[in-house]
Amino acid sequence: AQSVTQLGSHVSVSEGALVLLRCNYSSSVPPYLFWYVQYPNQGLQLLLKYTSAATLVKGINGFEAEFKKSETSFHLTKPSAHMSDAAEYFCAVSPSGYSTLTFGKGTMLLVSP
Amino acid sequence: DGGITQSPKYLFRKEGQNVTLSCEQNLNHDAMYWYRQDPGQGLRLIYYSQIVNDFQKGDIAEGYSVSREKKESFPLTVTSAQKNPTAFYLCASSIGGVNTGELFFGEGSRLTVL
Repeated sequence: AQSVTQLGSHVSVSEGALVLLRCNYSSSVPPYLFWYVQYPNQGLQLLLKYTSAATLVKGINGFEAEFKKSETSFHLTKPSAHMSDAAEYFCAVSPSGYSTLTFGKGTMLLVSP
Repeated sequence: DGGITQSPKYLFRKEGQNVTLSCEQNLNHDAMYWYRQDPGQGLRLIYYSQIVNDFQKGDIAEGYSVSREKKESFPLTVTSAQKNPTAFYLCASSIGGVNTGELFFGEGSRLTVL
């Protein structure tokens, strides 16, 4: 069985500051890992994904994440936050080769001017 | 444009009534999913289907039913047996089979039980 833990239900940053959203996973097989973003009253949009290629993954809107097997982590970062980054972010895991994802509980990113 | 269309966007229901949420996709994806989202709970899988005329229960299937008669359609019925149906429901699709797991989501349907 797989699971995802996102540390912090809310993260607040100032515009221009570093964004760091934490995700730890457990999986009995090599995982595929994902970050999705959700704007209010909308569906989820894929930010980036790790599928056993490069451990540093670059996504849309300047976000990136690093897969660290030894730490079972897949933290999401962005060097400089924009107001438009304010949204809820979900980390998800899938055992490689299967189509169902297990999602974390989400982290709301708040960006102040 | 290809995508997933969910309807209605907002729905109100009286206790004891069944309600059906529509999900249609024109991405030619084999697999479709229904997730339930509650504040602070993330997304929980209700049902999924990897091929027409076949579907599997997810983690919280009790009180829900689905059908998959056509590749592009995967309606979800919330029955009166669902004890706490007020939630945001998300439909998704993926290429299916052995894949990278990338899901494409609709914009959701918000169900409120009065």
